Amino acid sequence: QKEVEQNSGPLSVPEGAIASLNCTYSDRVSQSFFWYRQYPGKSPELIMSIYSNGDKEDGRFTAQLNKASQYVSLLIRDSQPSDSATYLCAVNNNNNDMRFGAGTRLTVKP
Amino acid sequence: SAVISQKPSRDICQRGTSLTIQCQVDSQVTMMFWYRQQPGQSLTLIATANQGSEATYESGFVIDKFPISRPNLTFSTLTVSNMSPEDSSIYLCSVVLPQGADIQYFGAGTRLSVL
Repeated sequence: QKEVEQNSGPLSVPEGAIASLNCTYSDRVSQSFFWYRQYPGKSPELIMSIYSNGDKEDGRFTAQLNKASQYVSLLIRDSQPSDSATYLCAVNNNNNDMRFGAGTRLTVKP
Repeated sequence: SAVISQKPSRDICQRGTSLTIQCQVDSQVTMMFWYRQQPGQSLTLIATANQGSEATYESGFVIDKFPISRPNLTFSTLTVSNMSPEDSSIYLCSVVLPQGADIQYFGAGTRLSVL
């Protein structure tokens, strides 16, 4: 079982729709959870961090965490073509032991 | 965040040679890491660069192949030694800031092609 699992996609949504990205993790002691966005040929860029169960909103982005289910998600509202990228879920255990999922490729069609 | 400069941004190397990648940060950082991202894949941690001591390597990565230096709190190097085409990849450094909880920020990466 992979430590951090994501649907590789591609996930395609029309412009203006909600994109929903999902991630599950295997280590119950995981403390911190992150979503990074990566454009082709670029390095990962932090979008959201979440540490507690529930929702965290930042602009068009909402991260959701459920530690009991070992599940973290990212919702992108009013999706724009510029949101087209690969989204990496990352999970941090103690001592900055961060593990990345394989990434979900999102395409937002105009 | 911090300004993280990685050099070179890309290189094409011959089999059997070595390449040293530099990572410079504009402020002192708590931790520095080196990752590899193979084409179409996610990030794999190579090692944690420890200031003033030997790096801590992940399973599957060894010091002879990927020697790492971290002489101070703002600078680190990763050397890819005795390269083969299988080493063609993007190499990324990341840092954790003292005030930034456990968030990792990435440099722009080094795109390496080995012929």
